[in-house]
Amino acid sequence: QVQLVESGGGVVQPGRSLRLSCAASGFTFSSYAMHWVRQAPGKGLEWVAIISYDGRNKYYPDSVKGRFTISRDNSKNTLSLQMNSLRPEDTALYYCASLKGTGPDYWGQGTLVTVSS
Amino acid sequence: QSALAQPASVSGSPGQSITISCTETSSDVGSYNLVSWYQQHPGKAPKLMIYEGSERPSGVSNRFSGSKSGNTASLTISGLQAEDEADYYCCSYAGSDTYVFGPGTRVTVL
Repeated sequence: QVQLVESGGGVVQPGRSLRLSCAASGFTFSSYAMHWVRQAPGKGLEWVAIISYDGRNKYYPDSVKGRFTISRDNSKNTLSLQMNSLRPEDTALYYCASLKGTGPDYWGQGTLVTVSS
Repeated sequence: QSALAQPASVSGSPGQSITISCTETSSDVGSYNLVSWYQQHPGKAPKLMIYEGSERPSGVSNRFSGSKSGNTASLTISGLQAEDEADYYCCSYAGSDTYVFGPGTRVTVL
C-alpha cells in the first residue's frame, strides 16, 4: 500500500537549519509532483513547497521563499526539505504529500519541527 | 498571492445539511475550478473529500458534494452524522505553480 514516511523533525534554535526527509513507497513516485504542507499547533494547513516530477521546477510561498529548498531523489523514492534560517513561526507538523491536481492524493503522518531557544 | 476565506465554524444537527463556503479574496480566479476539499480529524492527516470543485474520490460518501458559484466554492454535507465532526479545508491552485489552503472550518454536530 501507499506509504509516505517523514523524518528529521526535532527541536532547533532560531536561525539554525534542519533537513526533513520523506520516504515514499507503493506508488510511482517519479511520475508525480510532490509537496510539503505544514500545520502549526492548533492552526490550519499551509502549503510550503512543490517540486515537479523530475525535480527541475520548484515553487514556494513568500513565507518560506529563500529559506527553504525542496529536492527529490527519484532513484531512492525520497523527498527532502532543507530549512535554513528557521524562525519560531516555522514551528509546525510538516507533511509530505502528493496532492490531487498534480497526481494522486497521498499524505504522510507528518514530522514535528519546533523552533525555540 | 491568492487567499481563501472560510467561515471559522459551522454547526448542524444530525440529519441536517450544512454548507461550507470558500471564497477567493484575490483577483486571480482563473484557476478556481481546481478547488479541493479536505477533512481532518484531530491528530490525523487530512483526507481528500472533493477535487476539481465537484468530483468525489472513490470511497468518499455521496453525502459530500462540491459546487462553485462565481468566486465562491462550496462543500455541502447532507445527512450530517457525528463522524462528520472535523475541520474542513479548501485548497486551490493559485497560479504560477503555487497552491493555497483556506483557514479551515470547524464543523460541529450538535
